[in-house]
Amino acid sequence: GAGVSQTPSNKVTEKGKYVELRCDPISGHTALYWYRQSLGQGPEFLIYFQGTGAADDSGLPNDRFFAVRPEGSVSTLKIQRTERGDSAVYLCATSSGGANEQFFGPGTRLTVL
Amino acid sequence: AQKITQTQPGMFVQEKEAVTLDCTYDTSDQSYGLFWYKQPSSGEMIFLIYQGSYDEQNATEGRYSLNFQKARKSANLVISASQLGDSAMYFCAMREGISRGSQGNLIFGKGTKLSVKP
Repeated sequence: GAGVSQTPSNKVTEKGKYVELRCDPISGHTALYWYRQSLGQGPEFLIYFQGTGAADDSGLPNDRFFAVRPEGSVSTLKIQRTERGDSAVYLCATSSGGANEQFFGPGTRLTVL
Repeated sequence: AQKITQTQPGMFVQEKEAVTLDCTYDTSDQSYGLFWYKQPSSGEMIFLIYQGSYDEQNATEGRYSLNFQKARKSANLVISASQLGDSAMYFCAMREGISRGSQGNLIFGKGTKLSVKP
């Protein structure tokens, strides 16, 4: 079956602009996670959804970052007033209820000029 | 304080030999899970192996095994019979609250870059 997909694969934007990053989970996976991976680092947690609701958003760095999952499937990570420090690879992962493994998508590489 | 420590930024191994990638962790939770992921240059995170804190046996998956030493809080990954395709970044990760049904986030280390020499 299809894995986790993320679009776009690359996004270049200018400082101050708004961007949206999309994640399509594996069908039936109820848990969805967003991580951010800076160069040379491991992924860092941003937000976790269980169904439609954000179960834990403690990793969001500030109020410029927001994510939604309105129908419990596709999720969108939204970044307002982008800054150069937001440049990173944004990874989405999903898992099914009761399973331990998280399946990752290929990521979106965001570059803020 | 770092919860996952990977002290080897880079490792080299000869093809067909075994290699151990180190990982130590820090948690006060009694129930947790430890994971290893592989990240090739393509960027995708590939799950390799899982060890639960209450599992008595060390986990094994094909050429991968996890050397779990609970008292020392270490969870080293052993790759046997290295192949050229094993060259990649390897990340150790932890999730707390496993037995409580937690599906919370993974906490990752900084990774180890493994290079397999022909």
